[in-house]
Amino acid sequence: DQQVKQNSPSLSVQEGRISILNCDYTNSMFDYFLWYKKYPAEGPTFLISISSIKDKNEDGRFTVFLNKSAKHLSLHIVPSQPGDSAVYFCAASAGDYKLSFGAGTTVTVRA
Amino acid sequence: ETGVTQTPRHLVMGMTNKKSLKCEQHLGHNAMYWYKQSAKKPLELMFVYNFKEQTENNSVPSRFSPECPNSSHLFLHLHTLQPEDSALYLCASRPGQTDTQYFGPGTRLTVL
Repeated sequence: DQQVKQNSPSLSVQEGRISILNCDYTNSMFDYFLWYKKYPAEGPTFLISISSIKDKNEDGRFTVFLNKSAKHLSLHIVPSQPGDSAVYFCAASAGDYKLSFGAGTTVTVRA
Repeated sequence: ETGVTQTPRHLVMGMTNKKSLKCEQHLGHNAMYWYKQSAKKPLELMFVYNFKEQTENNSVPSRFSPECPNSSHLFLHLHTLQPEDSALYLCASRPGQTDTQYFGPGTRLTVL
């Protein structure tokens, strides 16, 4: 039973514009959420996280928004750059140090 | 943050072979994980080790046998695998009191 879902398998965006990646979850016990970025032939790299006590966390061009009532989080990348082309995974934890992952969204930034 | 290495990066094996995957972390973390990633699917947690003790076996078939001799090293011993076991196997480590895990580059396994 997949508890974390990324319903958009791919996203194409023009360089300089905003990329918005979405993630939905079903487990109300999740209290910590992470985004990872993965290039081909590399492992996932931690990008940004948010605790359930917040609704927004920002780090440079990356901002994560959490809507607990809707069980939804999103990652905004602005402005998008060619180096942002990668697969992005949403992950969640229920405080047990185990992560549940979504299937990933492939982002392509067009020049 | 880098510091998790995996060898080999690529492995092709027959169904009757025995092979081992190795993971090493240079971050001083106490927890280590094995994941399986099949194409277009989420990462699947296989095993968790904390301070060398196995704390999670996520119903993994016995043809996969993990070993954690110390907090820096993690092995996955493979024996009589099936073609459907072909996947990317990822190792991760985690410092104490945080959920953030740090991944190695993975081993791309092909079972013929």
